[in-house]
Amino acid sequence: KQEVTQIPAALSVPEGENLVLNCSFTDSAIYNLQWFRQDPGKGLTSLLLIQSSQREQTSGRLNASLDKSSGRSTLYIAASQPGDSATYLCAVRHGGANSKLTFGKGITLSVRP
Amino acid sequence: DAGITQSPRHKVTETGTPVTLRCHQTENHRYMYWYRQDPGHGLRLIHYSYGVKDTDKGEVSDGYSVSRSKTEDFLLTLESATSSQTSVYFCATEMVLGGQGFDGELFFGEGSRLTVL
Repeated sequence: KQEVTQIPAALSVPEGENLVLNCSFTDSAIYNLQWFRQDPGKGLTSLLLIQSSQREQTSGRLNASLDKSSGRSTLYIAASQPGDSATYLCAVRHGGANSKLTFGKGITLSVRP
Repeated sequence: DAGITQSPRHKVTETGTPVTLRCHQTENHRYMYWYRQDPGHGLRLIHYSYGVKDTDKGEVSDGYSVSRSKTEDFLLTLESATSSQTSVYFCATEMVLGGQGFDGELFFGEGSRLTVL
């Protein structure tokens, strides 16, 4: 059974800092990995989708990398801002018929002004 | 933004009553999902649909049923609500890449907060 782990559960950084959020998974046979952002009381917003054949994806100040062999993905946020404060979740689409996403429990990020 | 609307957004009901949550999408995505989100458990899949009238169970499907009579609507029904079904329910749709399905990007609605007393 695929397990997705995000550690630490919470992180607080000063504004302007570059930071890395980690996501690890136990089964490397994946189709893709998706990073989401969730603001309190809101739904999930898709940030980046990395296919299994890709090593990284970039969108603005965000860069996500994928290392299937080691079962890891990282979300890099450059020059963090208070508006980046949210919970960040990763989700892995594992292989097999009718495959579905397995979510991590998320990392709650607080960016201090 | 996949144009996903969930209704109702908030509902309080009593144990034993039936409840239906509706998910409506405007993007003509073939695949749709219902998740619940609970503290300590994260997001868990309840049911999903891979086309009109084609549905299947997720990991926490007991006590729930779904129906999809049109591409744009996916209904989640709690036949007899219990307190353990108090949760935030999210609908998601999938923008399929390459036409194969189950490898695309998921988009989520704003959620429906259900409280069962």
